[in-house]
Amino acid sequence: QKEVEQNSGPLSVPEGAIASLNCTYSDRGSQSFFWYRQYSGKSPELIMFIYSNGDKEDGRFTAQLNKASQYVSLLIRDSQPSDSATYLCAVAYTGGFKTIFGAGTRLFVKA
Amino acid sequence: EPEVTQTPSHQVTQMGQEVILRCVPISNHLYFYWYRQILGQKVEFLVSFYNNEISEKSEIFDDQFSVERPDGSNFTLKIRSTKLEDSAMYFCASSPRVANTEAFFGQGTRLTVV
Repeated sequence: QKEVEQNSGPLSVPEGAIASLNCTYSDRGSQSFFWYRQYSGKSPELIMFIYSNGDKEDGRFTAQLNKASQYVSLLIRDSQPSDSATYLCAVAYTGGFKTIFGAGTRLFVKA
Repeated sequence: EPEVTQTPSHQVTQMGQEVILRCVPISNHLYFYWYRQILGQKVEFLVSFYNNEISEKSEIFDDQFSVERPDGSNFTLKIRSTKLEDSAMYFCASSPRVANTEAFFGQGTRLTVV
């Protein structure tokens, strides 16, 4: 059974701080890793994807992947109240066509 | 910016009835998916579709469910004989290139079975 695990939170950070969101996955055959943001009652919105070990930066967001530790993280710099949402980690597997989602971490950015 | 569109946004149906959820994926995308999310739970994969056939399906996607791409733009999910536990948000998504690349989601259809 392929699993994607996230701390459900809530993670609370002050405005302007760095928010760090973490995710672990169970299957070493994992190929692609995604972070989605989901506001309450809305659909998942793709923020970042990463395929290779290391860091990938896009604006205020940095995704980090460590395949040896089966660990992927998302850093949000200069957090804003509008970043308050649930962040979903998702993993796709080699040879497959589906993406497995974690349960999400709720982030709350205090103004 | 191109987007995945889903209709209707909310569907209420009686238990035992059939429903069809509709999606228009992004036009140059090749892979299409249906996911569902029961209130307060994870996003769950249902089925993927490529080259006019199912490429993978989950254990949730049993004989009650079917998918179809009736023309060059629409992608539908049919649920026969709906059950109370089918109540959920259903999301259509599409990917541009090979499988396991980034998927873009539609706004979802909230299905309520009463």
